[in-house]
Amino acid sequence: AQTVTQSQPEMSVQEAETVTLSCTYDTSENNYYLFWYKQPPSRQMILVIRQEAYKQQNATENRFSVNFQKAAKSFSLKISDSQLGDTAMYFCAFRIGGGSEKLVFGKGMKLTVNP
Amino acid sequence: DAGITQSPRYKITETGRQVTLMCHQTWSHSYMFWYRQDLGHGLRLIYYSAAADITDKGEVPDGYVVSRSKTENFPLTLESATRSQTSVYFCASSRLAETQYFGPGTRLLVL
Repeated sequence: AQTVTQSQPEMSVQEAETVTLSCTYDTSENNYYLFWYKQPPSRQMILVIRQEAYKQQNATENRFSVNFQKAAKSFSLKISDSQLGDTAMYFCAFRIGGGSEKLVFGKGMKLTVNP
Repeated sequence: DAGITQSPRYKITETGRQVTLMCHQTWSHSYMFWYRQDLGHGLRLIYYSAAADITDKGEVPDGYVVSRSKTENFPLTLESATRSQTSVYFCASSRLAETQYFGPGTRLLVL
């Protein structure tokens, strides 16, 4: 069974600083996808970034980037130039490739950006 | 374009009552999912559907029933609600091998 672990339940950062959220996962599969979702106080689940395991290049989306270490089974999210609107719960998630569409989520971590 | 919607957004019910949570998507996505979110557990998959009339269990299916007679709808029924089913329920949809998009959630309180 696949598992996703987010070991830091809570973090805070000052506005404009950079913060890194950690995530590790466990799988014996070789073809899979990793995701970071953001859940602001509105509770809407919003996709932040996606990484395909077969791609060696780390995904980036504007201020968000990942550090994907396949051998170490690590998938951290870096937020640059943190903004107040980044305050949210962040969930790391995993999905096997090849037609299994089920997402396995970590327990989430709460990020607070302070002015 | 409404995307994916859930109704009701908030629901209070009593133990033993039947409750149905609705999910509707306008993208014609083949896959639809139901998750529950509880403090300390993240999101856990209840049921999912790969197409109309095809459903399968997720991680926590006990006490829930689903159906999918139309591609765009995926209702979740609690046949006899229990307090342990108090939670926030999220519906999601996707195309094959693509990103899942989530509805706004339904907050359910079982008294």
